[in-house]
Amino acid sequence: QSALTQPASVSGSPGQSITISCTGTSSDVGGYKYVSWYQQHPGKAPKLMISDVSNRPSGVSNRFSGSKSGNTASLTISGLQAEDEADYYCSSYTSSSTLVFGGGTKLTVL
Amino acid sequence: EVQLVQSGAEVKKPGESLKISCKGSGYSFNSYWIGWVRQMPGKGLEWMGIIYPGDSDTRYSPSFQGQVTISADKSISTAYLQWSSLKASDTAMYYCVRPMYSNSWYRMDYWGQGTLVTVSS
Repeated sequence: QSALTQPASVSGSPGQSITISCTGTSSDVGGYKYVSWYQQHPGKAPKLMISDVSNRPSGVSNRFSGSKSGNTASLTISGLQAEDEADYYCSSYTSSSTLVFGGGTKLTVL
Repeated sequence: EVQLVQSGAEVKKPGESLKISCKGSGYSFNSYWIGWVRQMPGKGLEWMGIIYPGDSDTRYSPSFQGQVTISADKSISTAYLQWSSLKASDTAMYYCVRPMYSNSWYRMDYWGQGTLVTVSS
């Protein structure tokens, strides 16, 4: 199975909104509602930010939102803050009953 | 409080065997899937596989099938990831993970602190 496709990097200024895409196939992203997004700061373990395409776990800021259209899922961060600078990864359930991650996106807050 | 506590960093030589652990506490260990995620130095996350301690049902990523073994010991609430013959390319941080809900193994709500494995001659 191939990794999901994410842009290598995105950037935005404080207060702006950015969107990170995650493109797969009908056998993963497009076929199921089991897409998750993770935030990872340097030297730290990842943190779940979005599950089931658009659900925010308890404690996650409502500035983070998720959506999906066809084979592409998206993570939107509104009101960018300096603390949002991190790596972001998507993951999806697959038709083989496995999980696959995206390659990761480095978010820079200018 | 749910906690996943992993074993400490390891330095091994190519060809050696290794078993790292992940001890769960604060919940019914038998009832939740435990997964493993690899992160090679400076690289992204890779899903390796999962196990359901209650019945030892195990699933592997095709990329890791036959390369590692995932197991669990219910009696001590501990999951394991093991190699029979390490390679330099196994050098990475390994995380154990657990979902919030017992039937939602596709999401990784809880993460261990990570175990750094270094394989070098």
